[in-house]
This record gives sequence, C-alpha cells and structure tokens, in this order.
Amino acid sequence: ETGVTQTPRHLVMGMTNKKSLKCEQHLGHNAMYWYKQSAKKPLELMFVYNFKEQTENNSVPSRFSPECPNSSHLFLHLHTLQPEDSALYLCASSQVTDNEQFFGPGTRLTVL
Amino acid sequence: DAKTTQPTSMDCAEGRAANLPCNHSTISGNEYVYWYRQIHSQGPQYIIHGLKNNETNEMASLIITEDRKSSTLILPHATLRDTAVYYCIVRLLSNDYKLSFGAGTTVTVRA
Repeated sequence: ETGVTQTPRHLVMGMTNKKSLKCEQHLGHNAMYWYKQSAKKPLELMFVYNFKEQTENNSVPSRFSPECPNSSHLFLHLHTLQPEDSALYLCASSQVTDNEQFFGPGTRLTVL
Repeated sequence: DAKTTQPTSMDCAEGRAANLPCNHSTISGNEYVYWYRQIHSQGPQYIIHGLKNNETNEMASLIITEDRKSSTLILPHATLRDTAVYYCIVRLLSNDYKLSFGAGTTVTVRA
C-alpha cells in the first residue's frame, strides 16, 4: 500500500468511550501531522512530530493524546470527548526539509 | 506567514481553462506560494508551489506576478473531477513547516 492511510475511516463514539485513530505513511517521511477540520471551518493544525519527537502542540485539549512510536506510524488517542469534537481528523506526512505535505483520507469522527 | 485573499467561489465550464486568483500583497521575499485542493470528504492534495518563476506540472500551472503580490493557478482543461476547494498558501521554506489553510475558493466545474 502506498501513500498515507488512516483507520478507521468513520468512527462513532460516546463521550465516555476511549478510542484511537491510526495513521500510517509508506513514503519514507520523517514528519507527521494531525489536523482537525470541523464543518465549515479551515483546517486546524493539532500536532507535529519530527523524527518521532513532538515539536508542536497547538493548544490542543488533553483529551486528545498523540503517540508516534516510529516515523511511519502516528496515533491519536481519544478519551472523554465532547460533541463539539466531531470533525474530520486528517493525518499528513512530509520530509523534514520538504514542505510538500501528503494527506491521508481522514477519519470522520462523530461524538454522541 | 503572509495572508492570502481568494474569491469565495467560482464556476467554470468543463473542458475550459480555470483561472484561480490569489492575492498576497504582504508576501516577503523568502516566502513561497503553495496551492492545495480538497475534494469533498477527502484529505487535501498538493498541486504546485513556486517562489518567483512561473511553474508547471502535470496538474496545473502557477503564474506569479513580477511584484509577487498575486498569483494565478491555471487548470488547463477543467474536468468534473476538478470540483474542489482550492487553497492558496504563502509560507517560509524552513524547518517550520506549518500550513495555514484559509477558507479557499470553492470551484465547481459544470458540464
């Protein structure tokens, strides 16, 4: 499989659930990103990882917890979310010095 | 990063060239112009980028004015599959690789 993949593609969860989103890139990149896209809003950068180290946390609430075990995988752990967290969550990757970011298809999250 | 201004929406006819304008009057000398697009319910897709010179690839052409205060993305032969939101982004080419997406231009290609 090539490019950036995300699983699951759709997720419905209650406010007390714990779930995880997974992102995998097969491009040999060293940087990975999580973005959030709410309805009718621009994409918002959430987290940036560079060589597995978190270099950016864009004031994201602690109910979102990222994990980057290696340069090919990125997770977003979710717990006690709110309905307003319902959105499309996008993962992207790039080379460290190359600014062309490649995006995955996203996970459509609905919090009930 | 410099801010950009794009029209909210535009229509174009299938098979014709689509010209998408972007104003970036506060762009600095070391900032690049990037274009991405996002087809409905998919992740954004990189199209093209440039600094001063016009650029062309298999997807599109990028025309940057001599003063660099504006640019135009050209889709030479628009198809229905080009219907998407197109984002013009200006940013430094550095280790700070943040992409600031605005509202973009919603392009609808009509048969």
